[in-house]
Amino acid sequence: QVQLVQSGAEVKKPGASVRVSCKASGYTGYTFTTFGFSWVRQAPGQGLEWLGWISAYNGNTNYAQKLQGRVTMTTDTSTSTAYMELRSLRSDDTAVYFCARAIRGGVYSDNWGQGTLVTVSS
Amino acid sequence: DIQMTQSPSSVSASVGDRVTITCRASQDISSWLAWYQQKPGKAPRFLIYSASALESGVPSRFSGSGSGTDFTLTISSLQPEDFATYYCQQANSFPLTFGGGTRVEIK
Repeated sequence: QVQLVQSGAEVKKPGASVRVSCKASGYTGYTFTTFGFSWVRQAPGQGLEWLGWISAYNGNTNYAQKLQGRVTMTTDTSTSTAYMELRSLRSDDTAVYFCARAIRGGVYSDNWGQGTLVTVSS
Repeated sequence: DIQMTQSPSSVSASVGDRVTITCRASQDISSWLAWYQQKPGKAPRFLIYSASALESGVPSRFSGSGSGTDFTLTISSLQPEDFATYYCQQANSFPLTFGGGTRVEIK
């Protein structure tokens, strides 16, 4: 069972950037580079919104169109950590951000982090 | 983008009841569908993939069916720990999209 531990809550002002980390552990029999990671967010009281996916093998990404230009997903194989950076934050970016291991070409998310609350407020 | 529509948005049921949730895709997605369970303040839990394949460790009272555009999640005998919100997600193509969720509440 893969464990994903995310970084702590953040409070940011509009226009700022935030980077959320997601550290993987407990993946006996696999290597980090076999993983893909999805990022999903959930605004207060709302449903789930897919933000994008990254392959830890080759760094290939696929981002939600609405975030294009503001989001960057990366991985660091030396620390088994995935990152999601969101720039030019707006109030409607306030949400809990989840990372998840993405399997089968990145289309299913089988193990999830605990979530990181990002609050954007002046 | 593929739109996913779930119904009902909420359902009230009692322990032991059979509960069925439906999910409709705006275009044919074959069997590329997943179901997730989410409890308040927690991350989603992966239940079913490929429309009907049960993820390891998920109780057999959960089942999924369907293909093309119409899918169902059935809980055969609702247990206290099953009261949660359920989401479908299409896995046919990027961008991945989720249904709006179905909240299963205690009657």
